[in-house]
Amino acid sequence: SQKIEQNSEALNIQEGKTATLTCNYTNYSPAYLQWYRQDPGRGPVFLLLIRENEKEKRKERLKVTFDTTLKQSLFHITASQPADSATYLCALATSGGYNKLIFGAGTRLAVHP
Amino acid sequence: GAVVSQHPSWVICKSGTSVKIECRSLDFQATTMFWYRQFPKQSLMLMATSNEGSKATYEQGVEKDKFLINHASLTLSTLTVTSAHPEDSSFYICSARGGESLAKNIQYFGAGTRLSVL
Repeated sequence: SQKIEQNSEALNIQEGKTATLTCNYTNYSPAYLQWYRQDPGRGPVFLLLIRENEKEKRKERLKVTFDTTLKQSLFHITASQPADSATYLCALATSGGYNKLIFGAGTRLAVHP
Repeated sequence: GAVVSQHPSWVICKSGTSVKIECRSLDFQATTMFWYRQFPKQSLMLMATSNEGSKATYEQGVEKDKFLINHASLTLSTLTVTSAHPEDSSFYICSARGGESLAKNIQYFGAGTRLSVL
């Protein structure tokens, strides 16, 4: 069966450290993968998109890797800050009509001062 | 740019009534809009996809007569939950995609609507 798995346990890290979140998928062949941030009671906010032929993408303190052999994406936040505390969702884009996004359940990140 | 407004943000209604949720793209024309449902600590579940001027495409298991979607213009889509029941209580989120100046693969989300059916 098709699955997108993100660590359901919260990730607690100290301010200034690098946070690394994992997204694993099975039985998908995504054209691209996206990462979103979601704060409680709010809609997701787009962060980064990485295509199947790209290994790595960076944006300021954010970095995403995409390994289609391992069927895994890693999302890194360097020099983390308490304001980075949120739930981070990965989403796969199917190659079907309308490029639907299939979301993981998200990983909650808590950055402590 | 790329702002999506969703209204209302919170609605409480009696069982059996209908509730309409609006989703507007404020500064771009949305060729496609999506409606999601999210339960606490769970992922967003796609309910339906709609393109302006055509019928919505519903995901498997979503009742189209229960969740009416209208995408009458390039900036407005509405979701109407008809004859709502307590089990329809959830967080509903819309997103929009499109616009020549925007990356076509990115979805821009509204802030969500918390529906509580008594």
